[in-house]
Amino acid sequence: GQQVMQIPQYQHVQEGEDFTTYCNSSTTLSNIQWYKQRPGGHPVFLIQLVKSGEVKKQKRLTFQFGEAKKNSSLHITATQTTDVGTYFCAGPGKGANNLFFGTGTRLTVIP
Amino acid sequence: NAGVTQTPKFQVLKTGQSMTLQCAQDMNHNSMYWYRQDPGMGLRLIYYSASEGTTDKGEVPNGYNVSRLNKREFSLRLESAAPSQTSVYFCAARTRGLSTGELFFGEGSRLTVL
Repeated sequence: GQQVMQIPQYQHVQEGEDFTTYCNSSTTLSNIQWYKQRPGGHPVFLIQLVKSGEVKKQKRLTFQFGEAKKNSSLHITATQTTDVGTYFCAGPGKGANNLFFGTGTRLTVIP
Repeated sequence: NAGVTQTPKFQVLKTGQSMTLQCAQDMNHNSMYWYRQDPGMGLRLIYYSASEGTTDKGEVPNGYNVSRLNKREFSLRLESAAPSQTSVYFCAARTRGLSTGELFFGEGSRLTVL
């Protein structure tokens, strides 16, 4: 069945350090999305990657989609306390309209 | 615009009780979803509705039923609640017909089953 795994599950960083989370799928994905969930909040869409090898940047966040379209990464440069939360990747399932989420990486930033 | 609205935000049930979680969206999106979130498990898809009048099972449908009442509303029913259904439930919506397109989430419903 559809599996999207994320590592690490938890990450504690000192403010100003970099952070990376990795997402791996057991199947080829047509696209991948990333979401951020603040503590106590709901997931909020960050970005979608569609093309093989695609790289997109949003300020200090860099998103990559693997060449084989089975993995992806999110890198945050110089973390800030506002980056705290859980980051999820999500990919489409077998149905055209469903979306499966990875297990998430919970980021803690120590001031 | 409220986006996606879920009610109730909190609920405590006893084992065996039933309840319905309500979800409504004002964004005119065709597809709607119900996820549950448990610690360390991420978001797991319970049911989804690609369009009004259709519903499909997700990863963890057992113990749940859904109704797509109209384009705006998608409800999730627990007929006989069990402690294993203690979780945070999220409703979401997005444009139909695409395998792409962002999900818009409600604020969540925290359910505790004693």
